[in-house]
Amino acid sequence: TQLLEQSPQFLSIQEGENLTVYCNSSSVFSSLQWYRQEPGEGPVLLVTVVTGGEVKKLKRLTFQFGDARKDSSLHITAAQPGDTGLYLCADPAYNQGGKLIFGQGTELSVKP
Amino acid sequence: NAGVTQTPKFQVLKTGQSMTLQCAQDMNHEYMSWYRQDPGMGLRLIHYSVGAGITDQGEVPNGYNVSRSTTEDFPLRLLSAAPSQTSVYFCASKPGLATDTQYFGPGTRLTVL
Repeated sequence: TQLLEQSPQFLSIQEGENLTVYCNSSSVFSSLQWYRQEPGEGPVLLVTVVTGGEVKKLKRLTFQFGDARKDSSLHITAAQPGDTGLYLCADPAYNQGGKLIFGQGTELSVKP
Repeated sequence: NAGVTQTPKFQVLKTGQSMTLQCAQDMNHEYMSWYRQDPGMGLRLIHYSVGAGITDQGEVPNGYNVSRSTTEDFPLRLLSAAPSQTSVYFCASKPGLATDTQYFGPGTRLTVL
């Protein structure tokens, strides 16, 4: 079973700061998804990266997939309090019945 | 569309009691699944279904039963609740097995005393 390790587990920053969270795997991803979860709600898909070296941008969020497809990062520029939440990476595992395999998450708190 | 709905939102059970967590979706999605979320462990798959009448086990199926008699509904049954089943439960759906976006419900917070 693929293991997804996220770091850091917790991050508390001031508004306006930049941050990066990481997702690493023990084996190669087929593709990799990033979700954001707000308190009391279910996760919401932010992006899917498929190709090694791929970079995707979503406003102030930049997602990168490692060349070897074993790691990914999420960079937030000029963080805002609205970015507060739990960020989860997940392997869609299409070759295993489409079962999402999640990392343990990074809890981000952005203080005004 | 209401999307994925779950009831109840909160539930407290005593050890040994049984209950059913309800999940429904109105998007005509074939694929539905149940996850549990525990602190520091992300979400773990309990059971999933690729269509009406078909279910299969995920990573942590013990203590849980599911059935899929219709496309819309995918209830999760706890036959004899245990404190280890205290968790937040999420139901999710997507159009098909190989499709990308999975839609999650708002969750049910379950406490077993």
